[in-house]
Amino acid sequence: EAGVAQSPRYKIIEKRQSVAFWCNPISGHATLYWYQQILGQGPKLLIQFQNNGVVDDSQLPKDRFSAERLKGVDSTLKIQPAKLEDSAVYLCASSLTPTGVAFFGQGTRLTVV
Amino acid sequence: AQKITQTQPGMFVQEKEAVTLDCTYDTSDPSYGLFWYKQPSSGEMIFLIYQGSYDQQNATEGRYSLNFQKARKSANLVISASQLGDSAMYFCAMREGNTGGFKTIFGAGTRLFVKA
Repeated sequence: EAGVAQSPRYKIIEKRQSVAFWCNPISGHATLYWYQQILGQGPKLLIQFQNNGVVDDSQLPKDRFSAERLKGVDSTLKIQPAKLEDSAVYLCASSLTPTGVAFFGQGTRLTVV
Repeated sequence: AQKITQTQPGMFVQEKEAVTLDCTYDTSDPSYGLFWYKQPSSGEMIFLIYQGSYDQQNATEGRYSLNFQKARKSANLVISASQLGDSAMYFCAMREGNTGGFKTIFGAGTRLFVKA
């Protein structure tokens, strides 16, 4: 069974530029999560989808971050404009149900210079 | 207030010995779940073990076991017979909520070093 796929693996951008990350969850997983992991910290939930609806985006900085999961399968996370403090690993995860075990992709390491 | 606390930033263990990684949590929900993940230097979060709040027995998965003490709100991970490949960051996580919505939050992690 294929795992959670994320791309790109690495991205370097200048501040004020925009960037987008892509995630394809495990087939059949209804719940999809985007986490931000700053170096030396645990992952912080940015947004959680149930199928194509947003369940929780309370910690998403909505002035610059946006995410969508239009067809209830793959998802994109966008940052526009990026700030230096957005440098982090962005992890996508999926689970069969909201109470199920979340399986993670390898993450996208973003460096904003 | 911290909901998940991992008080050990780093731990050392000799190869083949057992090690306990501490985790305490705080929730008012009667139904919740506790997870442990391993994050090697490659960056991927690998699921290790799960304990539900109503589970009567401690969860075990191979060399991993979860020492669940509900009254103390602790969910320590025990790794038996440590191997060099166990060197990694370990995160404790808690899922709480209800049918209106569930949220999983992570602790700050413990870095485990296994010595040969």
